[in-house]
Amino acid sequence: KQEVTQIPAALSVPEGENLVLNCSFTDSAIYNLQWFRQDPGKGLTSLLLIQSSQREQTSGRLNASLDKSSGRSTLYIAASQPGDSATYLCAVRPVTGGGNKLTFGTGTQLKVEL
Amino acid sequence: DVKVTQSSRYLVKRTGEKVFLECVQDMDHENMFWYRQDPGLGLRLIYFSYDVKMKEKGDIPEGYSVSREKKERFSLILESASTNQTSMYLCASSLLEGSYNSPLHFGNGTRLTVT
Repeated sequence: KQEVTQIPAALSVPEGENLVLNCSFTDSAIYNLQWFRQDPGKGLTSLLLIQSSQREQTSGRLNASLDKSSGRSTLYIAASQPGDSATYLCAVRPVTGGGNKLTFGTGTQLKVEL
Repeated sequence: DVKVTQSSRYLVKRTGEKVFLECVQDMDHENMFWYRQDPGLGLRLIYFSYDVKMKEKGDIPEGYSVSREKKERFSLILESASTNQTSMYLCASSLLEGSYNSPLHFGNGTRLTVT
C-alpha cells in the first residue's frame, strides 16, 4: 500500500530565506506527483504537477523535483515571503488502484516570519 | 481558471439528519471527487465519479452515498449523520482525457459539524 510522508510537520523560517519541503513515498510506480498549498480553513490550490517521466517543474519562485527511483520529491521555495505561510501537501497518483485515487501526505505547515 | 464551488462553507447538523453537500464545477471536467480531511489522517477519498450517473467507492465510503445527475454537479449524501462524520469535506474535479496527468482542482471545502 502506498504511503506518503512529509517531514517536518511544521517549519518556521525568517522572511527571505530559501527553503526545501520534503515528500517521500513508498511505491515508485506512480503516474505523477502533485504539490498543493492549503490556507487555513480553505481548500487545496494546485501548485505543480510532475509527471513520472519528468525530473522537475518550475513556477515562479517554486521548483519541484522528483526522484522516482528513490521515492522522493522536494519543493523548493526561493526568497520566502509571509504570504507563503500555509500548509503544503504532496500527493502521488499510484499506477495500481485504477489511477484515480491520489494518496496524500499529511502536509508541512510553513510559517514565514517578518 | 477552473472553479469548483461548494455550496456551503459551514454546516451544523444533528445526529440522524440526512445531509446533502453540493459541488459544482464550471470546466466541463468528467472526473469529480469527494474527500474528507481530518487532523493527523490527511485527505481520504470517499467517492469519485468519472461520468454522469457513474460512481466508484473510494477508501472510506461507509455511511455516505453520492449522486451525479449532471456533469457539472456532484453531491455527497450522509444518509443519517453521525458525530464521527464531523470533518472538512473537499470536492475536486479533473479532466478525463489524459486524466492520469491532469491536475486536481479543489473547492474551498465545507466544514461539517454533527452534534
